[in-house]
Amino acid sequence: AQSVAQPEDQVNVAEGNPLTVKCTYSVSGNPYLFWYVQYPNRGLQFLLKYITGDNLVKGSYGFEAEFNKSQTSFHLKKPSALVSDSALYFCAVRDSPYNTDKLIFGTGTRLQVFP
Amino acid sequence: AAGVIQSPRHLIKEKRETATLKCYPIPRHDTVYWYQQGPGQDPQFLISFYEKMQSDKGSIPDRFSAQQFSDYHSELNMSSLELGDSALYFCASSPQAGEGYNEQFFGPGTRLTVL
Repeated sequence: AQSVAQPEDQVNVAEGNPLTVKCTYSVSGNPYLFWYVQYPNRGLQFLLKYITGDNLVKGSYGFEAEFNKSQTSFHLKKPSALVSDSALYFCAVRDSPYNTDKLIFGTGTRLQVFP
Repeated sequence: AAGVIQSPRHLIKEKRETATLKCYPIPRHDTVYWYQQGPGQDPQFLISFYEKMQSDKGSIPDRFSAQQFSDYHSELNMSSLELGDSALYFCASSPQAGEGYNEQFFGPGTRLTVL
């Protein structure tokens, strides 16, 4: 069965410092990986995805993620954090190429950026 | 750009009542998904539709049913509501299946409170 794990419930970082939010996955086939962000009382906003190709994926708001097949990881990164990046971040996986298939979400990591 | 529309945004019901949640996907998106997010939890997949047919089913209670209409909007019908049904219900949509590995676009959610 496919799954994702986000080992950190919360990540704290000072504004201007680099940030990393960790995600590892488990799938039987090829992984299709996604990052979403959720602000309070808001829906999930798509940040970026890895389907195939370059292991470094660039997304919205300056975020990027690195796909590492040997470590089955897809960590979210940003070179310089902003206070406005504070939110709940979800990693998600789908193990099939079919768009009708569901996403499996991790438990989420709350990012807190301090001024 | 048009986004996924969900109505109502907030809903308060008594136990054993029924509720209907509506979702209007982004234009030209023919796949709709429903997710349930309990307090402090990750979104859990309930059900999805492609071209008005059910395409996948997750942990959706038998008390719940859903359908997708000819204009691609979808409704989630919930009967015999229980306290544990209190959650944020998200609808998501994606473009035509088979056109690529497309992300899902989420609506703002309907917050259901069962008293």
